[in-house]
Amino acid sequence: QQQVKQSPQSLIVQKGGISIINCAYENTAFDYFPWYQQFPGKGPALLIAIRPDVSEKKEGRFTISFNKSAKQFSLHIMDSQPGDSATYFCAAMTSGTYKYIFGTGTRLKVLA
Amino acid sequence: EAGVAQSPRYKIIEKRQSVAFWCNPISGHATLYWYQQILGQGPKLLIQFQNNGVVDDSQLPKDRFSAERLKGVDSTLKIQPAKLEDSAVYLCASSNTGGGGELFFGEGSRLTVL
Repeated sequence: QQQVKQSPQSLIVQKGGISIINCAYENTAFDYFPWYQQFPGKGPALLIAIRPDVSEKKEGRFTISFNKSAKQFSLHIMDSQPGDSATYFCAAMTSGTYKYIFGTGTRLKVLA
Repeated sequence: EAGVAQSPRYKIIEKRQSVAFWCNPISGHATLYWYQQILGQGPKLLIQFQNNGVVDDSQLPKDRFSAERLKGVDSTLKIQPAKLEDSAVYLCASSNTGGGGELFFGEGSRLTVL
């Protein structure tokens, strides 16, 4: 119940295309869902996050879509750029615990 | 604002040796985490501190791993004796729980056990 399942494991997209990464969870106590971006040799950095009171959040080219009934959320990267090539992790957390559960990661490669 | 500092960045040891990693969180962050990230996997929580108290250490292999956070600031993670499967990146993170709980990660300490 504490798992967050992430797919796909890897993704190759052409420059200008849309990258879509999906995550699913079981624990309905989760109420904060961030996405982290990690470049080689660096620690993960927060990209965008959503709470379940909204179904979508957009920041620039990055959008989170959230489906509370299906217990799924996804990251969409519009107009993908080679600089977006990185590993992306979804995560989930229950407010008050500040304990984060991470997905297994998606390695994204954007071809120039 | 200075980020989360970790050292050493790289460490190579033989199995059964010991190693220690150090972390200095962002100033004022009460919560400190140690994560283990094995190549190709997501970060796995080893231990979570709130100030200098342990909140969660359920996934810490206590027969070989230990961690402390003296005075609620710096933290040290120790492995003794190391096993081959401990080869991983050890990530330290901190959060300001009063500010929404966003995690800030250090660059990690990469351990190779031969």
